[in-house]
Order: sequence, then structure tokens, then C-alpha cells
Amino acid sequence: GENVEQHPSTLSVQEGDSAVIKCTYSDSASNYFPWYKQELGKGPQLIIDIRSNVGEKKDQRIAVTLNKTAKHFSLHITETQPEDSAVYFCAASALSGGYNKLIFGAGTRLAVHP
Amino acid sequence: DGGITQSPKYLFRKEGQNVTLSCEQNLNHDAMYWYRQDPGQGLRLIYYSQIVNDFQKGDIAEGYSVSREKKESFPLTVTSAQKNPTAFYLCASSIGVIGELFFGEGSRLTVL
Repeated sequence: GENVEQHPSTLSVQEGDSAVIKCTYSDSASNYFPWYKQELGKGPQLIIDIRSNVGEKKDQRIAVTLNKTAKHFSLHITETQPEDSAVYFCAASALSGGYNKLIFGAGTRLAVHP
Repeated sequence: DGGITQSPKYLFRKEGQNVTLSCEQNLNHDAMYWYRQDPGQGLRLIYYSQIVNDFQKGDIAEGYSVSREKKESFPLTVTSAQKNPTAFYLCASSIGVIGELFFGEGSRLTVL
């Protein structure tokens, strides 16, 4: 079935450094790739998304790149700050039983140290 | 403020008891979803509904049931048939079929 693999599972960086999280997906028909941030005790929140007709998208310190040929996409956070510490999930769309749904990666716990 | 409200936030139940988790949204979204979150496993889809009076099984529907009698409400019942019900449950909604999911703050169920 459809699968999304996410690496690394934990990431520790110093404040001001960059952080990169990578995901690969299995369904070549996937066309929507969101990234969610989950803070402790909260529900996930969308931080950026990309559709398959675009190779890169940027929003201030956050960027996402997509390589459809290799079936992988990455989240890049520059100039990290302590408030970036959270769990990040990638996801890919998949068509199943006539319905579109999202398949989530297992998550990356990012810790930004002052 | 518009959003998704889940209740209760914490719930303890004895083994063999059914329990219902509430999810209400005032975003006027057609689609609603229930996810289960376990450590190291990401979010797994339990059930989803794209319109009132219609819902579909997700990847791990066994031992769960839902209803969608009103647009704003999508309650999840964790039945005694669910082998390992202790988990964090997240409800979400979206405007359309594929797009931004708006999540509630979750309900943590512990079965003793």
C-alpha cells in the first residue's frame, strides 16, 4: 500500500543553524505534499505545502522542495529558533477506494538549543 | 473563534467499556477525519467523512465506529473490540477533499 518514510526521527541543532527533514513516498500519483508542525499537547498545524506542478516553495524561513522523479520531498528551516522546537510531519496524498486521503510520515522531533 | 473542539481532553476507561470522543467544528467544512497517533508511528487514519450521512473506513477502522448526522459533528466511538485503544486521538476537518487539515487539540484515552 501507500507509504511515506520520514528521516531523521530526531534532529538536534543549535539556534541559528539550518534543519532539513526528508520524506520519500511510494505512490507515483501523489500530487499534494503538506508539512505539519505539532507542539507538545496540541494538534498539528499546517506550516507549508506544495503541489506536484511546483518544484520548490518558500515562506520566510521555511522552504519545501519536491523531486517527483525520485519521489522525495524535503523541509528546510533556516535560522532556527527555539520556538521551532516541535514534531514535524510530512504527508503525501493518495487515492484509495475513489477517495483522496493523506498518508503521514512517522514524524521528526526537532530540538533547537539556544 | 472558528475551530475544532475535541472533548474530553483526557479520558480513562476500564477494559471492555465503549467510549465516545466528541468532535465539533464551526468552520463550515464538509470533510471531517479521525486520526490515531501513537509514539513513533505518525498519524493513522481511522475514519473520514466527506459529507453528512456518509463516512468511509480509513486504514485502521477495526474496533471503531463513527456517525455524521450533522455537518459540524463527527463523534468517534472506541468499542471494546479495539485491541489496543490507549492512544492520542485527533479530529480534523477540511474544506475540500485534499487541502489543509485543521486539527483539534486531541483526546488522550487511557484504558486501564
